[in-house]
Amino acid sequence: QSALTQPRSVSGSPGQSVTISCTGTSSDVGGYNYVSWYQQHPGKAPQLLIYDVTKRPSGVPDRFSGSKSGNTASLTISGLQVEDEADYYCCSYAGFWVFGGGTQLTVL
Amino acid sequence: QVQLVQSGAEVKKSGASVTVSCKASGYIFIDFDITWVRQATGQGPEWMGWMNPNNGNTAYAQKFQGRVTMTKNTSTNTAYMDLSDLRSDDTATYYCARVINRGMDVWGQGTTVTVSS
Repeated sequence: QSALTQPRSVSGSPGQSVTISCTGTSSDVGGYNYVSWYQQHPGKAPQLLIYDVTKRPSGVPDRFSGSKSGNTASLTISGLQVEDEADYYCCSYAGFWVFGGGTQLTVL
Repeated sequence: QVQLVQSGAEVKKSGASVTVSCKASGYIFIDFDITWVRQATGQGPEWMGWMNPNNGNTAYAQKFQGRVTMTKNTSTNTAYMDLSDLRSDDTATYYCARVINRGMDVWGQGTTVTVSS
């Protein structure tokens, strides 16, 4: 049950778009359409952004979108805002859950 | 509103056990699975296990098999996570979360567990 692989950090300017990748294997990300993404601000609990690869819970802005190709899932944040600066984690369900190591997003 | 409220911070000695509680409100407790996740400082979340509050069925991550027990009290809408034989690398923030559609849509506020020798 190895952790999913995410870039340590990404950055962008307000208004720009950024994409965070999440690479697993055919046993997790590639084998199931159960990838979820979470945003976590310092000292706070994670918050669900995306589930089932592409779906957004109510209340999550449509600036956040998810996709998947093969063993790699991606989270795209368009129209970056200062408040998007946070840590982002992917997660895949494969009979159990496995998380990524996290990506720190800096909004310059 | 839908929320999960966890018990307070704990400080334990190596070898001891800890119990973290997670009280649900604002929804029907038995209708949604509960999962437990921990996060060490500066690290990504780590899944520990899952429980069905309706029938009590559980599944634990291999890493915690034999040390973790997840239970529930449906009369108080509370889930519990017991972790035994604590060691220093169990120092982390422990979260409960509600499961919906294979995602975790509502999280508790977290419980810090510190293990000292």
